[in-house]
Amino acid sequence: GENVEQHPSTLSVQEGDSAVIKCTYSDSASNYFPWYKQELGKGPQLIIDIRSNVGEKKDQRIAVTLNKTAKHFSLHITETQPEDSAVYFCAASKVSGGYNKLIFGAGTRLAVHP
Amino acid sequence: DAGVIQSPRHEVTEMGQEVTLRCKPISGHNSLFWYRQTMMRGLELLIYFNNNVPIDDSGMPEDRFSAKMPNASFSTLKIQPSEPRDSAVYFCASSQTGGEDTQYFGPGTRLTVL
Repeated sequence: GENVEQHPSTLSVQEGDSAVIKCTYSDSASNYFPWYKQELGKGPQLIIDIRSNVGEKKDQRIAVTLNKTAKHFSLHITETQPEDSAVYFCAASKVSGGYNKLIFGAGTRLAVHP
Repeated sequence: DAGVIQSPRHEVTEMGQEVTLRCKPISGHNSLFWYRQTMMRGLELLIYFNNNVPIDDSGMPEDRFSAKMPNASFSTLKIQPSEPRDSAVYFCASSQTGGEDTQYFGPGTRLTVL
């Protein structure tokens, strides 16, 4: 089955710096890669996603890149702000059995220091 | 929209007791997911419902766990009898379909089994 590895497990940056989180996946048939942000005491919330027919996607300060050949994808946050502090999860999935089963990475705890 | 609603938010119980977690998905969504989050295992899918029918319950850890969806607006996850190793945060999520639609997570139920 699919396995998703996520690095680093913790990341500390100064406000205004960039943050990069990387994930690798094992199933070459995976074709959908969402990123979720989880704030303390809340459920994960989708922040951006990318499909396998696209190499890069950007939404304001957040971008995601996908390298299908190497089977890895990354989240880039530019001009970080204290409110970006949270745990970020990557996931990989494909439609199987009629639905998209998300396999999550272990998460990255991002701390943005003022 | 009210989002996905879960109750209770916190549950403390003693080993051997029955625990029932509740979820109300977003109106109009026909797919519902139950996840468990622990430090050791991360976010893992327990069961997936589509149009109130359980489609994939391969993630349910053992017979002590059961889930039902009697109608489109309500689902329960029951643990009987509960054990200390069941302590975790349990999330319910819903999506419009089971495909590459965004999964919207509820706030979670933090379960502690003493």
